[in-house]
Amino acid sequence: RKEVEQDPGPFNVPEGATVAFNCTYSNSASQSFFWYRQDCRKEPKLLMSVYSSGNEDGRFTAQLNRASQYISLLIRDSKLSDSATYLCVVRFAGTALIFGKGTTLSVSS
Amino acid sequence: NAGVMQNPRHLVRRRGQEARLRCSPMKGHSHVYWYRQLPEEGLKFMVYLQKENIIDESGMPKERFSAEFPKEGPSILRIQQVVRGDSAAYFCASSPPDPSGGYTFGSGTRLTVV
Repeated sequence: RKEVEQDPGPFNVPEGATVAFNCTYSNSASQSFFWYRQDCRKEPKLLMSVYSSGNEDGRFTAQLNRASQYISLLIRDSKLSDSATYLCVVRFAGTALIFGKGTTLSVSS
Repeated sequence: NAGVMQNPRHLVRRRGQEARLRCSPMKGHSHVYWYRQLPEEGLKFMVYLQKENIIDESGMPKERFSAEFPKEGPSILRIQQVVRGDSAAYFCASSPPDPSGGYTFGSGTRLTVV
């Protein structure tokens, strides 16, 4: 049973498109939720935390549904520079961060 | 304000040799985490340390791997008698005592076993 599951993609979209990624997690006792971004096998970088009330940062919107154990990331008006792997990350009670395998996004002109 | 510093960036070892990977956390961060990323795979948690203490090593292979975070100096991930399957990117991350804001990662060490 995988703890954090993501659709690996790849998602291939044109510039300006809206794209959504989904993620499910297995442990209902999870405490913290994040989206990280990883470029070309470089180090992961925090994109945004995810809160139950939903949160937005510019073109990025994250949603958390605790009842369904489901997290989403919406990217509006995609840019070429958004091409990367997006990692869904969960911290269960008393553990370190657990990473999903990532969803690959490729934005083309 | 330097971020998480890892060295070396690249490390080549022959089968059977030892590999030592070093990680200095961000200033003010007392918690260190090691992750491994195999080719075409996601990041897998290995070990979580505080100064002089291993908090969680549930992701560490039972043999050949060890980690420490001494009172002075960087955290060290040590792999003895390396095998080809140990070839991977090893990332270190750090956080303050309250990790609710996520972790900051270092640039990683790419280990190649030949």
